[in-house]
Amino acid sequence: ETGVTQSPTHLIKTRGQQVTLRCSSQSGHNTVSWYQQALGQGPQFIFQYYREEENGRGNFPPRFSGLQFPNYSSELNVNALELDDSALYLCASSLVPRPGHNEQFFGPGTRLTVL
Amino acid sequence: SQQGEEDPQALSIQEGENATMNCSYKTSINNLQWYRQNSGRGLVHLILIRSNEREKHSGRLRVTLDTSKKSSSLLITASRAADTASYFCATDTGYSTLTFGKGTMLLVSP
Repeated sequence: ETGVTQSPTHLIKTRGQQVTLRCSSQSGHNTVSWYQQALGQGPQFIFQYYREEENGRGNFPPRFSGLQFPNYSSELNVNALELDDSALYLCASSLVPRPGHNEQFFGPGTRLTVL
Repeated sequence: SQQGEEDPQALSIQEGENATMNCSYKTSINNLQWYRQNSGRGLVHLILIRSNEREKHSGRLRVTLDTSKKSSSLLITASRAADTASYFCATDTGYSTLTFGKGTMLLVSP
């Protein structure tokens, strides 16, 4: 167990709806990264938050947005859901965004299905 | 886009045998990490090797890194049924953003 928790575990939505996924980082970690993992693929980086500000973003459209709170927990929001958004969404926390020292601790993920 | 490419895509071995997985990547890196994932759940960090290191050990795991060939290998010795999982390499090219490969599915039969 890494100490990173995510909710909910599973979620079913319909196309066009909006969804919010939540993540609590490991104690003492101030950096949270979000990844999308489609079936049979490796995780793809969505964005990272450090001290409540976005600190890097992958190749995802603006309808993917996020927040980090003062306690370093985080939310991932996806608007106007599309069928291709069906995936496992993983949150990872780490101590400091420092090159070469970024072991990340992953939560169990949220499985999102878009119908 | 995915920087790392693991090889093979799938590997099936018997308990007690060694398992070797390879990873190739395209750009310069700060470090390379290996993760394990059981049944589509969260990833577990296995080992991190920095760009100035060539080999690292952790228990039954041995990782090598060849930056001139942009490749890495993960060796699991004396495999167990509990090692059955997907294994991913991930490269760090900047500040805490990891780029993962597609993974190798390892099946260890009793």
